[in-house]
Amino acid sequence: EVQLVESGGGLVQPGGSLRLSCAASGFTFSDYEMNWVRQAPGKGLEWVSYSSNSGSAMYYADSVRGRFTISRDNAKNSLYLQMNSLRAEDTAVYFCAREGYGGNQFFDYWGQGTLVTVSS
Amino acid sequence: QSVLTQPPSVSAAPGQKVTISCSGSSSNIGNNYVSWYQQFPGTAPKLLIYENNKRPSGIPDRFSGSKSGTSATLGITGLQTGDEADYYCGTWDSSLSAGVFGGGTKLTVL
Repeated sequence: EVQLVESGGGLVQPGGSLRLSCAASGFTFSDYEMNWVRQAPGKGLEWVSYSSNSGSAMYYADSVRGRFTISRDNAKNSLYLQMNSLRAEDTAVYFCAREGYGGNQFFDYWGQGTLVTVSS
Repeated sequence: QSVLTQPPSVSAAPGQKVTISCSGSSSNIGNNYVSWYQQFPGTAPKLLIYENNKRPSGIPDRFSGSKSGTSATLGITGLQTGDEADYYCGTWDSSLSAGVFGGGTKLTVL
């Protein structure tokens, strides 16, 4: 059974940093591209970042580029999101999502999400 | 302001059919596959349709997807009260080199 479990969310002050993790199981992690998607309270889905299966290619939303860094450790079956210079508008539930095999930008499995709150 | 445009809400009676539109441009829907997601409050999104019109295993054939030019449509037939949820379209935008979603559509089954 495919499972994605996020962790690392919490309350952080503006300007602070946080590192999210996503532990994957039930599939060959190194074969799949992975993404982070977030959802602010009461708002819609917002794509955040993409990692190729090897980790060599990464893409970011304009809203986080230069502040967030996606990475992965295929030996540990884990995906990460390092978030720096956090702003109030980064407050959201962050989901990790597996990209369907073939890379046609659809997300076939999602984690339960981890809440990040940026507030003083 | 989302890159993809969806109606904020749609409604229909149980047993009826509803369609949800998703409008984009040549840099996203026009040249990339579209997917659709269903989300209930407080839960993670669930994939309903991928590659424009394919259903993952376990998704009933009451759900269908289509694409024409720079627009896509999700269709739901035989509406059930359990279909009340938020629905999102998504794709890749080649100009932005970024994933994009619609703003979401709240389905009410009256």
